[in-house]
Amino acid sequence: EVQLVESGGGLVKPGGSLRLSCVASGLTFSEFSDAWMSWVRQAPGKGLEWLGRIKSEAGGGTRDYSAPVKGRFTISRDDSKSTVFLEMNSLETEDTAVYYCTWNTKIAVFGVWGQGTTVTVSS
Amino acid sequence: QSALTQPPSASGSPGQSVTISCTGTSSDVGGYDYVSWYQQHPGKAPKLVIYEVNKRPSGVPDRFSGSNSGNTASLTVSGLQAEDEADYYCSSYAGSNNYVFGTGTKVTVL
Repeated sequence: EVQLVESGGGLVKPGGSLRLSCVASGLTFSEFSDAWMSWVRQAPGKGLEWLGRIKSEAGGGTRDYSAPVKGRFTISRDDSKSTVFLEMNSLETEDTAVYYCTWNTKIAVFGVWGQGTTVTVSS
Repeated sequence: QSALTQPPSASGSPGQSVTISCTGTSSDVGGYDYVSWYQQHPGKAPKLVIYEVNKRPSGVPDRFSGSNSGNTASLTVSGLQAEDEADYYCSSYAGSNNYVFGTGTKVTVL
């Protein structure tokens, strides 16, 4: 069974930075290396919001982001550790949310989700 | 990219059917057969129940079905059960390597 476990959430002041990690288990090195991974967030009481996606290195390693976070958030990966990261800078109170790591099991399909990690941006 | 439009709520009695709509544009729902649906119970992570408009992942009951017509996709849950009470979100590929989710629908089993 594939599992994704996020970590790194917490309380941060406006303007601050945070780095989230997502470790995948149940996948071989090859399977994770081929995986396209996304980050999705959910503000308190609100809906889901796609943030960005990183392709496999074989797929070019291309990273794409939604407009609200482009230029502030960066997704990266370390295939040797089956880990994907979300670096968040210039955080705003509106970034307060549960952040989910997901595996794009097919094009445009968020097939496996982590349990989420909570980020609170507040002074 | 604007969120796809879903009704805030839907309900049905046990054994009945409920259908949730997901309305977008020709740039997302109407432009690609890449609509998915996710079920989310309170305090839990979302779970994929339908992908590519009408395909069910392994383990998802066949009570869940999907369809689309023009710029609107739909999720139908037949034979409603108590455990189907949850929030449901659609999502679609929106072109240019972007993805968009729906506003979410709370399904209540009466």
